[in-house]
Amino acid sequence: EAQVTQNPRYLITVTGKKLTVTCSQNMNHEYMSWYRQDPGLGLRQIYYSMNVEVTDKGDVPEGYKVSRKEKRNFPLILESPSPNQTSLYFCASSSVAGGELFFGEGSRLTVL
Amino acid sequence: EDQVTQSPEALRLQEGESSSLNCSYTVSGLRGLFWYRQDPGKGPEFLFTLYSAGEEKEKERLKATLTKKESFLHITAPKPEDSATYLCAVRNQAGTALIFGKGTTLSVSS
Repeated sequence: EAQVTQNPRYLITVTGKKLTVTCSQNMNHEYMSWYRQDPGLGLRQIYYSMNVEVTDKGDVPEGYKVSRKEKRNFPLILESPSPNQTSLYFCASSSVAGGELFFGEGSRLTVL
Repeated sequence: EDQVTQSPEALRLQEGESSSLNCSYTVSGLRGLFWYRQDPGKGPEFLFTLYSAGEEKEKERLKATLTKKESFLHITAPKPEDSATYLCAVRNQAGTALIFGKGTTLSVSS
């Protein structure tokens, strides 16, 4: 089954404690992206990757890092989380940049 | 600046009461308008892609149409299971992202 898998699905952490949200897709897609979804603001792109070792900033990259060492994986790293990073995070992939996105189930992060 | 505006924010319908959701967009050279459905606590699920004015696509009770300035998602004889948030998105000018509207939350009661 074609899917994008994110972990963890739910996480409560404290300010400053580094965390990683993993994302893996099994569709051999070249393009992957992270979005965050906040009430009243909608979905906003954090980072994207056009292919292995090629990543770039989206609209709201501050406080986040990513890496793309393998085609299937695109982890999101919060080096020092802050309460304003409390949000619902989605990983997505597509066969081409700007094409139909396939989304994961989301990771709900709370930073205290 | 690429922008997507959806209206209304929320819509309540009775089962069988047809209606339309609006998505207006501002982007230089449209290269794809996308409709998604999102259920609470889940990731958006792809519905349609439209590329040119006049294009229409249908899936069950949903039909998406596109003009040069906006898109409509028509819902015919909705059922309670159609209750969800419907998101509209356009490909940005750089071709690196989809720009999403804030969505329309549809509630259909029996």
